[in-house]
Amino acid sequence: EAGVVQSPRYKIIEKKQPVAFWCNPISGHNTLYWYRQNLGQGPELLIRYENEEAVDDSQLPKDRFSAERLKGVDSTLKIQPAELGDSAVYLCASSFSGGAGEEQFFGPGTRLTVL
Amino acid sequence: DAKTTQPNSMESNEEEPVHLPCNHSTISGTDYIHWYRQLPSQGPEYVIHGLTSNVNNRMASLAIAEDRKSSTLILHRATLRDAAVYYCILRDVGTYKYIFGTGTRLKVLA
Repeated sequence: EAGVVQSPRYKIIEKKQPVAFWCNPISGHNTLYWYRQNLGQGPELLIRYENEEAVDDSQLPKDRFSAERLKGVDSTLKIQPAELGDSAVYLCASSFSGGAGEEQFFGPGTRLTVL
Repeated sequence: DAKTTQPNSMESNEEEPVHLPCNHSTISGTDYIHWYRQLPSQGPEYVIHGLTSNVNNRMASLAIAEDRKSSTLILHRATLRDAAVYYCILRDVGTYKYIFGTGTRLKVLA
């Protein structure tokens, strides 16, 4: 069974440019998460979807970050415009129903470098 | 949100057991205890989770203190492939959030 797929794996952009990350979760998983991981830190949740609905976006910087999950499957996370401090690894994860006792499956992440 | 405390780093010899401790003194009655590990350049990988009782799976064992204020992840025979950052996380039933700390970097010596 295929795992969580993310693309691109690496992205280098100049500040003020837009950037987008794509995630394809495991088939049948209704819950999708986007995390940001700064160097030397644990992942930090940005947004959680249940099907198409963003049920927790309290940590998403809404002035420059946006996300969508059309049709409740694939998801895209966008940053516009990017800032130097956005350099990080962006991780996507999915789970079947999002229950507290449930395992999350993570993708390999997209490493973003903003110059 | 309840918080966890872990040592920054630990070392183990190959083929010896490893006990990774985690303190979570502010845990609530409905928080699950999850452990994930992250190998270099990869996303976190689920290891094990529990609520009140000790748990075993093919990767590891989880020992939970009777008062639930601490837990220990046990790798029965460490291999070089077990070198990773191990995160102990509490997951709240109400919010479903994972709050990752900085984890324990495990080094396995050949």
